[in-house]
Amino acid sequence: QVQLVQSGAEVRKPGSSVKVSCMASGDSFSSYPISWVRQAPGQGLEWMGRIIPILGIPNYSQKFQGRVTITADKSTTTVYMELSSLTSEDTAVYYCARDLTFGGPPGYWGQGTLVTVPS
Amino acid sequence: QVVLTQSPSASASLGASVKLTCTLSSGHYNYAIAWLQQQPEKGPRYLMRLNSDGSHTNGDGIPNRFSGSSSGAERYLTISSLQSDDEADYYCQTWDTGIWVFGGGTKLTVL
Repeated sequence: QVQLVQSGAEVRKPGSSVKVSCMASGDSFSSYPISWVRQAPGQGLEWMGRIIPILGIPNYSQKFQGRVTITADKSTTTVYMELSSLTSEDTAVYYCARDLTFGGPPGYWGQGTLVTVPS
Repeated sequence: QVVLTQSPSASASLGASVKLTCTLSSGHYNYAIAWLQQQPEKGPRYLMRLNSDGSHTNGDGIPNRFSGSSSGAERYLTISSLQSDDEADYYCQTWDTGIWVFGGGTKLTVL
């Protein structure tokens, strides 16, 4: 049974950075892409980027390119998402999610991490 | 890039059926999609993969009163025997060369 467990809620000042973790268990960690998706209050789901841990090469949404960094630590089966230059518009719940099958739909989701950036 | 379009809201009565629609942008009618459910104050939950030919595979533990179908640019999610906890936001999602795209979501109200 695949499980994704995320780190706890964060509060950050405008202009700072936040790093959220997502620990995966229950299946072959390195082989499947893990993505980050965010959801601002009252809004829909927005894909930020992903990484394939075995390759260690991320790809990012153009919207977040230059401001987001996604990394993977195979030794701890953990994926990280760091977002910099935070503004109040980055206040959102951030989810990690794993492909159900390689290159397929998001079959597994973390519980979400609330990041708050007060204005 | 592919765009997914959903109606913002839908409603149906307890015990009835409802059919939600996701429309693929022109040139992408052969894309498979996924349907996701997000109940209030919860994270998204994978419901199914829906292919362009209408074949679908429900996720683990998803009852068969959730079903999918396809026609051209349209992808449908039908929920039968509506229950109160089906009241949720429903998102369609697709994937293309490592990029995920989400529809705007449909808020389903169970009357």
